[in-house]
Amino acid sequence: KQEVTQIPAALSVPEGENLVLNCSFTDSAIYNLQWFRQDPGKGLTSLLLIQSSQREQTSGRLNASLDKSSGRSTLYIAASQPGDSATYLCAPLFGNEKLTFGTGTRLTIIP
Amino acid sequence: EAQVTQNPRYLITVTGKKLTVTCSQNMNHEYMSWYRQDPGLGLRQIYYSMNVEVTDKGDVPEGYKVSRKEKRNFPLILESPSPNQTSLYFCASTMGSRGPIIYEQYFGPGTRLTVT
Repeated sequence: KQEVTQIPAALSVPEGENLVLNCSFTDSAIYNLQWFRQDPGKGLTSLLLIQSSQREQTSGRLNASLDKSSGRSTLYIAASQPGDSATYLCAPLFGNEKLTFGTGTRLTIIP
Repeated sequence: EAQVTQNPRYLITVTGKKLTVTCSQNMNHEYMSWYRQDPGLGLRQIYYSMNVEVTDKGDVPEGYKVSRKEKRNFPLILESPSPNQTSLYFCASTMGSRGPIIYEQYFGPGTRLTVT
């Protein structure tokens, strides 16, 4: 069974700190992996898409890495801000073309 | 503005009363899909469509129907809703008929459905 795990489920850090969110998946045969953020009462916003041939992608203060062989991805957020508070979801696209979501990490940035 | 829209955003209904949740995208995307999100279970795909008149089941299709008569619209139909279909529903779209393989998905704002 293809599973996606995100640990921790919740994280609180002071504003300005750098932080890493973790995602692990059980099947290394993926096409790509997408990171999303979800704000309360709102939809999902795509943050980064990493293809299976890539090791990392960067967008502003965000950097996502992918290690397919070990079934892991990390999302690094630099110089965190209160506006970064949200739930972050990772979603690998497995070989059966099914996008499978983790249950997310709820991030709170403390001003 | 490029977007995926869903209507209604909130709906409370009773068991057995047929309902339709609409989804529309203005990006000329081929691929569209529906997900439901439940606490502790994450998002799960209900149905997807690779293009007009092409639809297929996702992981949790029981109790749902879809149609894709136009490229921009992908309605989700609950013929006889039951309480276990109480959930938060998201529509998504992406470029290309096998879009998610290459391109990112764009999500709508969600529809919160309560079936009593």
